[in-house]
Amino acid sequence: NAGVMQNPRHLVRRRGQEARLRCSPMKGHSHVYWYRQLPEEGLKFMVYLQKENIIDESGMPKERFSAEFPKEGPSILRIQQVVRGDSAAYFCASSPGTTSYGYTFGSGTRLTVV
Amino acid sequence: KQEVTQIPAALSVPEGENLVLNCSFTDSAIYNLQWFRQDPGKGLTSLLLIQSSQREQTSGRLNASLDKSSGRSTLYIAASQPGDSATYLCAVVSSGNTPLVFGKGTRLSVIA
Repeated sequence: NAGVMQNPRHLVRRRGQEARLRCSPMKGHSHVYWYRQLPEEGLKFMVYLQKENIIDESGMPKERFSAEFPKEGPSILRIQQVVRGDSAAYFCASSPGTTSYGYTFGSGTRLTVV
Repeated sequence: KQEVTQIPAALSVPEGENLVLNCSFTDSAIYNLQWFRQDPGKGLTSLLLIQSSQREQTSGRLNASLDKSSGRSTLYIAASQPGDSATYLCAVVSSGNTPLVFGKGTRLSVIA
């Protein structure tokens, strides 16, 4: 089991470009969570998805950010028209269910906007 | 709204010392609590998961306790080593569909 796979590990985008971050959950895990970590700050929840459904997007900015977890393929976090303030580490986690299960995190994607 | 606080924010100890990291949470109605380790520039490694019905969990030199009624957890590290240097994060799940809420972490340095 390869664990939670995130790619790319590092991503550099110019202001105004689009950033696409991918996350493949652990085998057998149908719950995916995206978190953002700003320098010297804690991890902040962004969005929680199950296959083809967004369950909770309360932590995701209303504009420019979107997420999906299609029936086939990885979960995608998409940031349109990136700005310098979007520079951060973005982590994906997966779990097989809720409440009793711990989360397994990927290694993250470090986005730098120049 | 659940809030998680970790004290101290940073800790420096000599090698071999036993140490305790503290975590508190405002809403005691949790399902589970998880301790993670994060090395600089890296992802999160899960250390211990404690269900709400449990009082403690142990893994090697690590022991985590949970007092749900008082909203506290501690992570005890025995015989610390330089390789234990990292940021330790505490996080809780408050309800079935509520995502994990994190504290800001304790940055540990173990000096050889």
